Amino acid sequence: QLQLQESGPRLVKPSETLSLTCSVSGDSISSSSYYWGWIRQPPGKGLEWIGYIYYSGTAYYNPSFNSRVAISIDTSQNQFSLSLHSVTAADTAVYYCSRHIREVRRKYAFDLWGRGTVVTVSS
Amino acid sequence: DIQMTQSPSSLSASVGDRVTITCRASQTISIYLNWYQHKAGQAPKFLIYAASSLQSGVPSRFSGSGSGTEFTLTISSLQPEDFATYYCQQSYNTPHTFGQGTKVEI
Repeated sequence: QLQLQESGPRLVKPSETLSLTCSVSGDSISSSSYYWGWIRQPPGKGLEWIGYIYYSGTAYYNPSFNSRVAISIDTSQNQFSLSLHSVTAADTAVYYCSRHIREVRRKYAFDLWGRGTVVTVSS
Repeated sequence: DIQMTQSPSSLSASVGDRVTITCRASQTISIYLNWYQHKAGQAPKFLIYAASSLQSGVPSRFSGSGSGTEFTLTISSLQPEDFATYYCQQSYNTPHTFGQGTKVEI
């Protein structure tokens, strides 16, 4: 059964870089059918798409992150990672990794998610 | 960015009730609308794609409808395991955007 599991520091200081990794088990991340990405939910707010990456390394980002974000992929480890630079308290959120269907247009969707990890930005 | 607005933000219902949640897009998105169910502490679950197509394994009491800018998610007979927060999401273009959620409570 395919599972996604987020890992990384739960507490990050302001102005530093938030780094998270998503480990994928049960299937290969080197599939042409999917993107692999990140979504977050700040406390009391809605879900916000951060970006996703294809197994080739091509990444797509939400412009609202103003180039602070980078997503990378390691197919040998079957995992992908998020780096969010220059964080502030506004980046405190639950961060989810997810899989996005890309091969069937009408089925473009985040079909699998991790349970999420809480990251707090505070000194 | 396309703004997604859900209503209501929360509702109270009983087991067996018929529940309808509305999602409106700030511009036309054709049928490119997905629905998700989220329970606290769990991974969100993908329910419906292309406005009305049920994802494999999702109970048939869930249904979706709509096109253009207005969409609905209906649960025909609410079950205890359906108490959760529901989100719509447009897949018409990027950045992908979500509604603010509708919490279905007992």
